Amino acid sequence: SQQGEEDPQALSIQEGENATMNCSYKTSINNLQWYRQNSGRGLVHLILIRSNEREKHSGRLRVTLDTSKKSSSLLITASRAADTASYFCATVLDTGRRALTFGSGTRLQVQP
Amino acid sequence: DARVTQTPRHKVTEMGQEVTMRCQPILGHNTVFWYRQTMMQGLELLAYFRNRAPLDDSGMPKDRFSAEMPDATLATLKIQPSEPRDSAVYFCASGLVLGTQISGNTIYFGEGSWLTVV
Repeated sequence: SQQGEEDPQALSIQEGENATMNCSYKTSINNLQWYRQNSGRGLVHLILIRSNEREKHSGRLRVTLDTSKKSSSLLITASRAADTASYFCATVLDTGRRALTFGSGTRLQVQP
Repeated sequence: DARVTQTPRHKVTEMGQEVTMRCQPILGHNTVFWYRQTMMQGLELLAYFRNRAPLDDSGMPKDRFSAEMPDATLATLKIQPSEPRDSAVYFCASGLVLGTQISGNTIYFGEGSWLTVV
């Protein structure tokens, strides 16, 4: 079963707009990671946020984490056509399988 | 530019045939993962190894799938016999994991092996 669920499943915006994707998870975590997957390619790590952090920035990316609500959001500011991809959140469960478990992903389409 | 290398990139095979997918992890990485991606199930963890020893293969159908690491530079995933429902993209990923927690470490994905079983 998937630990994380992204919302929305699909998002279409215009170049220059901001894109926000949300991730909810079920069990307590040590940290949460976001990955990007271009069509037909492997996943690429974007950013990691630890459970004791609330917000983290990397370039045009901003990630927030609310452990009380078991949710995270990824904001891409000033989006570009090249940002078109699927975005996944990933967590490691505190018990059981100690490997990254991925959510279902958000497909982002940025229209030029 | 270090990367995870997977072969073959694409494979079409007939039901019942054996399929072997290979992965060369990034040099120096001690943990290797196999994931399967389908439209219906998303990304599923099949198995992973630490220092070549299998740590968890509970996500893998045992009757037809097997995963091994003959040496530190090669991981293999074998399906025998293959079935149409095995059609998916199979990703290998590797990472350098220190201690028991992998969650603080980035893992690097290969480009995937696209398998079609007809």
